[in-house]
Amino acid sequence: DAKTTQPNSMESNEEEPVHLPCNHSTISGTDYIHWYRQLPSQGPEYVIHGLTSNVNNRMASLAIAEDRKSSTLILHRATLRDAAVYYCILSGNQFYFGTGTSLTVIP
Amino acid sequence: KAGVTQTPRYLIKTRGQQVTLSCSPISGHRSVSWYQQTPGQGLQFLFEYFSETQRNKGNFPGRFSGRQFSNSRSEMNVSTLELGDSALYLCASSWGGTSGSNEQFFGPGTRLTVL
Repeated sequence: DAKTTQPNSMESNEEEPVHLPCNHSTISGTDYIHWYRQLPSQGPEYVIHGLTSNVNNRMASLAIAEDRKSSTLILHRATLRDAAVYYCILSGNQFYFGTGTSLTVIP
Repeated sequence: KAGVTQTPRYLIKTRGQQVTLSCSPISGHRSVSWYQQTPGQGLQFLFEYFSETQRNKGNFPGRFSGRQFSNSRSEMNVSTLELGDSALYLCASSWGGTSGSNEQFFGPGTRLTVL
């Protein structure tokens, strides 16, 4: 029942910005958009979330389209430690994880 | 503040057996959710417990069950194990409000192998 669509994989050079896209055309008015990432052999960890407005925190920025049918996670300067699978999730009563985007950071 | 802990970290069982996994949430968190992660199906929601009551349930057979205790610790049980139950089982805790804005904190998972 995944409600989000993400590219399977992306590459970025170290210290360059990364834009990870997510489509969620069936989003409902009360769904929050969450981003989590999962490093190898670890559980997912929270990155950022938002409802309607763009959000910034120390890890990343979240840009949400005006119609809320898509969003973009922005890592301002990719490091090797950012190599992970990034999940875009809609949260209503439960979290629906999609297949995620595997980010490779090239030194 | 201690994170979410899961025990055991690794488990090997045979088909037909049953298994119980344990999750201790972050202190003060009242919601515990369980997920199954497999290479083929990805991360799938099993169920969520809040204040000892199952609040949400995913699309899994009745062989998968859970419970939550008064101290918010949770257990998940799988009966009559099948080969396809081999997976990483993740537990996540949150403070538990009904708003979808709750941040979930995940444990390291229990790796279950069914032979």
